[in-house]
Amino acid sequence: EDKVVQSPLSLVVHEGDTVTLNCSYEVTNFRSLLWYKQEKKAPTFLFMLTSSGIEKKSGRLSSILDKKELFSILNITATQTGDSAVYLCAGRGVYQKVTFGTGTKLQVIP
Amino acid sequence: GAVVSQHPSRVICKSGTSVKIECRSLDFQATTMFWYRQFPKQSLMLMATSNEGSKATYEQGVEKDKFLINHASLTLSTLTVTSAHPEDSSFYICSARGQEGGGTDTQYFGPGTRLTVL
Repeated sequence: EDKVVQSPLSLVVHEGDTVTLNCSYEVTNFRSLLWYKQEKKAPTFLFMLTSSGIEKKSGRLSSILDKKELFSILNITATQTGDSAVYLCAGRGVYQKVTFGTGTKLQVIP
Repeated sequence: GAVVSQHPSRVICKSGTSVKIECRSLDFQATTMFWYRQFPKQSLMLMATSNEGSKATYEQGVEKDKFLINHASLTLSTLTVTSAHPEDSSFYICSARGQEGGGTDTQYFGPGTRLTVL
């Protein structure tokens, strides 16, 4: 059975801090790893990672995949209160089957 | 840990037929279930929110007569795509929110259902 585990489950930081969110996965016929940010309604897509060792960046957010260790991290630098959300990691396998983790709840306080 | 299942995982149907997708919370009671549709470039669109025993709340632009949602029990919600057309082909994901062992409310996602309409 496919599994995606995220850690920590929740995190409280001060504005300006840098955070690292972790995601480990066991996905049959792994194709890609997805990161989402969920604030209110539907999760917002952040990154899709398919290759090991290639960092993807978008502003203060960056992510990297390690296919050997079955692991990915999401980094957020200079955090802002608007970064407060649940960050979801998902592994996609064959036939686009997606397995989500339960998320990391990030709270950024002023 | 809590698990959400979806059935079927894949379905191929002819245009004009109706397809039912089930979403079950396997070891917890889901007071709220959500239905999403995944679009190209991985974006997820929330279609509707359903609470057990009450009518689903549909997002703007989602036709409630086309996408029928039933949340008959605390462990089962169904999405029926009526008179499916090729443009309905997509990946449909459900999630369930409930409390596991009295802990914090957590949202658990199902594995998704790939619908292909010919």
